[in-house]
Parts: sequence; C-alpha cells; structure tokens
Amino acid sequence: AQSVTQLGSHVSVSEGALVLLRCNYSSSVPPYLFWYVQYPNQGLQLLLKYTSAATLVKGINGFEAEFKKSETSFHLTKPSAHMSDAAEYFCAVSASSGGSNYKLTFGKGTLLTVNP
Amino acid sequence: NAGVTQTPKFRILKIGQSMTLQCTQDMNHNYMYWYRQDPGMGLKLIYYSVGAGITDKGEVPNGYNVSRSTTEDFPLRLELAAPSQTSVYFCASSPSGRSYNEQFFGPGTRLTVL
Repeated sequence: AQSVTQLGSHVSVSEGALVLLRCNYSSSVPPYLFWYVQYPNQGLQLLLKYTSAATLVKGINGFEAEFKKSETSFHLTKPSAHMSDAAEYFCAVSASSGGSNYKLTFGKGTLLTVNP
Repeated sequence: NAGVTQTPKFRILKIGQSMTLQCTQDMNHNYMYWYRQDPGMGLKLIYYSVGAGITDKGEVPNGYNVSRSTTEDFPLRLELAAPSQTSVYFCASSPSGRSYNEQFFGPGTRLTVL
C-alpha cells in the first residue's frame, strides 16, 4: 500500500520569498513521485516527477524537489515566489519497478497563497 | 493536439436524475482514469481502463458506471444522482501502465446535485 501526506493545507508566502511545500510518502517498494499544480478552475498539470534517475529534480516554472529516501520525503521548493505561483499543489506517489502499477495516490493538496 | 477534453464544464442535477460525463483524448493513450475531487480531500480514483473494452473499479466506484468502446472515449455515467456526488470530476490518461508515466488531466466537470 502507498500513501502521501502533505503537511500544511495552506501555505502563505510573500512575493520573492522561498516556497517550501512538504510531502512525505509511504511505500513498500521504491516509489515514483510526482508534483502536480492546479490553477483555479483548471485541471492538474505536471510540475515535475522523480523516477530514480536523480534525487534532485527540476521542473517547470523554477520549481524543484529533492527525493530523500531516509526521510521518505519529496519536498517542493522555489527560491523566489511569484504572484503567478498561487495555486493548489498536489504530491502523488506510484509504486515502482517491475510490473505495471498505474494508480496514482494523491495527497490532500496544499493551497499556496502569494502576498504582494 | 487538444489532449484530454471533458464536457460539460458545469452541470446542475436534481436528485435522482442521470447524466453522462464525456471524456475524450487524442493522444492514443491506452490508460484512462476518472477521479473526483472534493475540497481538502485530494483526488480519489473512481474507475479506470487499461484499454478499449477493459474497465475496473477504483477507490470510490459506488453510484457510477463506465464504458470504453474506443481508445479515445471514456464516459462516466451517473444513474441516480445523489447530493454526495456533488464534486469536481477529472478525466485523465496515460500512455501505458508503467508507474513512471505521468497522467494527463482534462479541465474538469463541476457537478452539483440538489
């Protein structure tokens, strides 16, 4: 079984400040991990994904995430927040390697607010 | 290339009515999914399909039905709408069943049952 916990349902930062959105996962096998972003009234869009090639993953719009196996974490960061980053962010896990496991398990989401 | 499209965007139903949420993808993906999104709850998988003619239940299938007659289309049917089905519904697709594949999402259908 796999699960995702996103710490903080709502994070508020000032424009230009560091963005840190936390994600911890549970998986009995090495996982694949994803961060999706959802802008208001839109579908989900992939920000980045971890597929075991490198522990530091760079995504779109200046976001990056680091896979830490010892901490079972995959936190999302951005050095300097922009107003356009205001959205809801979802962390998701999929079981890995070998056979097919196509089901994504999503966290409950973190709403990011950026203040001017 | 439109990706994943969903219709309608919004719908209000009365209790007991039925409706079909349409989903079409033009990426030739074999795998398709239906999720519902409730505030503060993330996304829950309703049904999924691994190819034309093959569907299976997800985490929350009660009150819904699906069919997959073509690769492109994956409609979701609500037979007897209930207030508990008020939600935002997302359709998604992926090229294969491999765990490293991302899923591509449609824009969603916002459904209210009164």
